[in-house]
Amino acid sequence: DGGITQSPKYLFRKEGQNVTLSCEQNLNHDAMYWYRQDPGQGLRLIYYSQIVNDFQKGDIAEGYSVSREKKESFPLTVTSAQKNPTAFYLCASSSRQPWNTEAFFGQGTRLTVV
Amino acid sequence: AQSVTQLDSHVSVSEGTPVLLRCNYSSSYSPSLFWYVQHPNKGLQLLLKYTSAATLVKGINGFEAEFKKSETSFHLTKPSAHMSDAAEYFCVVSDADSWGKLQFGAGTQVVVTP
Repeated sequence: DGGITQSPKYLFRKEGQNVTLSCEQNLNHDAMYWYRQDPGQGLRLIYYSQIVNDFQKGDIAEGYSVSREKKESFPLTVTSAQKNPTAFYLCASSSRQPWNTEAFFGQGTRLTVV
Repeated sequence: AQSVTQLDSHVSVSEGTPVLLRCNYSSSYSPSLFWYVQHPNKGLQLLLKYTSAATLVKGINGFEAEFKKSETSFHLTKPSAHMSDAAEYFCVVSDADSWGKLQFGAGTQVVVTP
């Protein structure tokens, strides 16, 4: 089955701890994205990558880091610098060209600070 | 620059009655427009997309949307609501200037009553 797999589905973080969210796709897509979703605010872009070994900050990158060492994988690390990390995180991928191709989404990871 | 405004944060309809979700956009270039649906604690699923072909776009589950350039609108409709349509709906814009980055509206929560 082609698609995007996010893991874990639920994640709990203690204060001051870094955590990494996994995102893997087997759609052969060049572009991958991380979004954060909070109630009533839609989706906000954290980071995106158009090609392996390259990534760009989105609108709310502070307190987050990413890597793109393989085409299939785009992990997101939520660092201790992110003061309000409790949210629903969604990973997506799309063909890089043309720009009018839709994005495919994973099922999300719900992160909670305890 | 691109932006999306969903004019209603909540819409309540009776089962079997029409559904209208309103979306206005702003884009410097010819945009691509999408509607996604999200059920609770799930990822996003594409309902339909407009990419400069026919202005009336038909999607899955009986939904359709009409692109009106003069009104910068892309409203989503369905003639008869079903209980399974209860979900959150997002209007999304992308254009050549954004290199595939998607700009999301804040979402419209749809409630369907028996």
